[in-house]
Amino acid sequence: DAKTTQPPSMDCAEGRAANLPCNHSTISGNEYVYWYRQIHSQGPQYIIHGLKNNETNEMASLIITEDRKSSTLILPHATLRDTAVYYCIVRAPTGANNLFFGTGTRLTVIP
Amino acid sequence: DTAVSQTPKYLVTQMGNDKSIKCEQNLGHDTMYWYKQDSKKFLKIMFSYNNKELIINETVPNRFSPKSPDKAHLNLHINSLELGDSAVYFCASSQDLVRGREQYFGPGTRLTVT
Repeated sequence: DAKTTQPPSMDCAEGRAANLPCNHSTISGNEYVYWYRQIHSQGPQYIIHGLKNNETNEMASLIITEDRKSSTLILPHATLRDTAVYYCIVRAPTGANNLFFGTGTRLTVIP
Repeated sequence: DTAVSQTPKYLVTQMGNDKSIKCEQNLGHDTMYWYKQDSKKFLKIMFSYNNKELIINETVPNRFSPKSPDKAHLNLHINSLELGDSAVYFCASSQDLVRGREQYFGPGTRLTVT
């Protein structure tokens, strides 16, 4: 699985869009980008994943650049409950389904 | 209804003791996992089971023994507890073994070894 790089922390004003970047410059053609988050004292929670097209669900949007070397998770209207550590994970479709979490980005939503 | 539940939520025990953590999922999933999150917040896979069979056993001391009595349960037994075992242990499940399947995590069990 390709390595990912994320900023250690970010702040976002409540109600504004939170844009969380992830760099994965060594990503292979068949590797997916996944995002999970961990709210304090809780287990990680799946958010979204994508291969090369942009994806959107009820929680967030995922924008993957055309060269696929980076991506951005967008929380369109951040709330205080979105304060969490966000993990970007790149995974090939084959192999064991274990997750490898890096250090992630600690997002703080400010009132 | 809680999808993935763990008991106990907190566990404080002394070095050398043996303890168990229980995990149950009511999602009808075939695959379950144990992860460990240490004091530096790194989250690492320990084991995965599929239909009660061990699939992954990462480099974990053999003092840790997972047991799956049925598909809905995956318990973690730890013998001869050491200070370094202090961590938060998370159970998770996924529909099956297919890589990329969304994993659902439990609330965690905070183990403190004194």
